[in-house]
Amino acid sequence: SQQGEEDPQALSIQEGENATMNCSYKTSINNLQWYRQNSGRGLVHLILIRSNEREKHSGRLRVTLDTSKKSSSLLITASRAADTASYFCATVRYSGGGADGLTFGKGTHLIIQP
Amino acid sequence: AAGVIQSPRHLIKEKRETATLKCYPIPRHDTVYWYQQGPGQDPQFLISFYEKMQSDKGSIPDRFSAQQFSDYHSELNMSSLELGDSALYFCASSPGSAGEQYFGPGTRLTVT
Repeated sequence: SQQGEEDPQALSIQEGENATMNCSYKTSINNLQWYRQNSGRGLVHLILIRSNEREKHSGRLRVTLDTSKKSSSLLITASRAADTASYFCATVRYSGGGADGLTFGKGTHLIIQP
Repeated sequence: AAGVIQSPRHLIKEKRETATLKCYPIPRHDTVYWYQQGPGQDPQFLISFYEKMQSDKGSIPDRFSAQQFSDYHSELNMSSLELGDSALYFCASSPGSAGEQYFGPGTRLTVT
């Protein structure tokens, strides 16, 4: 299966609740990134966590990385209706030539019910 | 702040036609990446350029070609279009070959 599998595929919660999304990957990584995409729009970079980091915070976002399990989680606290979007994890391909493309997971579609 | 510019934003073509998508990176970004995102799918990496040279190559069909010009803008040329080519095509740019990638708004290509 593809690098960067995410679960759940869809998540619907009430505004104010916390949302947790998980991502698994297969190869060794130097970093893992999370992106957000509003329906049919561009991808917005949220946060990058390096392989030697276990946890990172940015505002209401908390990302964890477990390299032994090759997995990461994204927690959004105190969710808002504006957080409704698809969330993707991504890892770098490392072709050896630089300017390496990203491999994205399948994404979690998050719906925040007002 | 300036962002990545893609044109056109929407494009409708018929089967077997050709299409050219353009990408203008953020000023002073020398690296460009192209991605394809089918309906309900995750983005798939196609190809990248660093300092006007092809750098990494992903799942780009042989019918597609791309290049980066002296002003660092890039064009993705798609020939013999198929229905399955209908997708969102994103361009991203970065400062250097290992920088964070900034994505454009995408071009929605519909092949009929």
